[in-house]
Amino acid sequence: GENVGLHLPTLSVQEGDNSIINCAYSNSASDYFIWYKQESGKGPQFIIDIRSNMDKRQGQRVTVLLNKTVKHLSLQIAATQPGDSAVYFCAENINSGTYKYIFGTGTRLKVLA
Amino acid sequence: DTGVSQNPRHKITKRGQNVTFRCDPISEHNRLYWYRQTLGQGPEFLTYFQNEAQLEKSRLLSDRFSAERPKGSFSTLEIQRTEQGDSAMYLCASSRPQTVGYGYTFGSGTRLTVV
Repeated sequence: GENVGLHLPTLSVQEGDNSIINCAYSNSASDYFIWYKQESGKGPQFIIDIRSNMDKRQGQRVTVLLNKTVKHLSLQIAATQPGDSAVYFCAENINSGTYKYIFGTGTRLKVLA
Repeated sequence: DTGVSQNPRHKITKRGQNVTFRCDPISEHNRLYWYRQTLGQGPEFLTYFQNEAQLEKSRLLSDRFSAERPKGSFSTLEIQRTEQGDSAMYLCASSRPQTVGYGYTFGSGTRLTVV
């Protein structure tokens, strides 16, 4: 299943399928990006990051793609599992000497058994 | 490493009352951050400490809000004369003394309800 932009805040996928969550970030000066996973009642948890000098980074079952031309970030989750059900946020850091992040609105991923 | 600890987990208060939240970061992390998260939204930056120095404050942090980190370890966030619009999840995070990278470690948050 693919979520294009933030107009579809909920993504439902069958267990075992691949998930793609998209994010449009706001500032062309941003040089570092993180995807966070947030389960109900918990704080956001780091999943994977990418710097602006890269266009792809892979982790365990997750891949982040960065397209700076259109300021777009995506998170791909392979073989989605029930434990992946959560809200996913992208966050950007603007290279301004600060350490704060700007978070997107988030996408809820529901994994169907 | 016990993670970032926040207390209390939940707080219900009447409008106009003062509330204080506490955050205990990971011990070797010298940077500490406060964020606010309303339902269905991503976290919004409030303020940031490096050791005991408060280096940045968001415009969201009105004069009713004050944050401290007196000894560079735990931090407190106080809201005076609470309003219903203050109802939110208040998240604390900490990070290592390095340039941006690897993100933060967040606590589980304090959920504030102002009635």
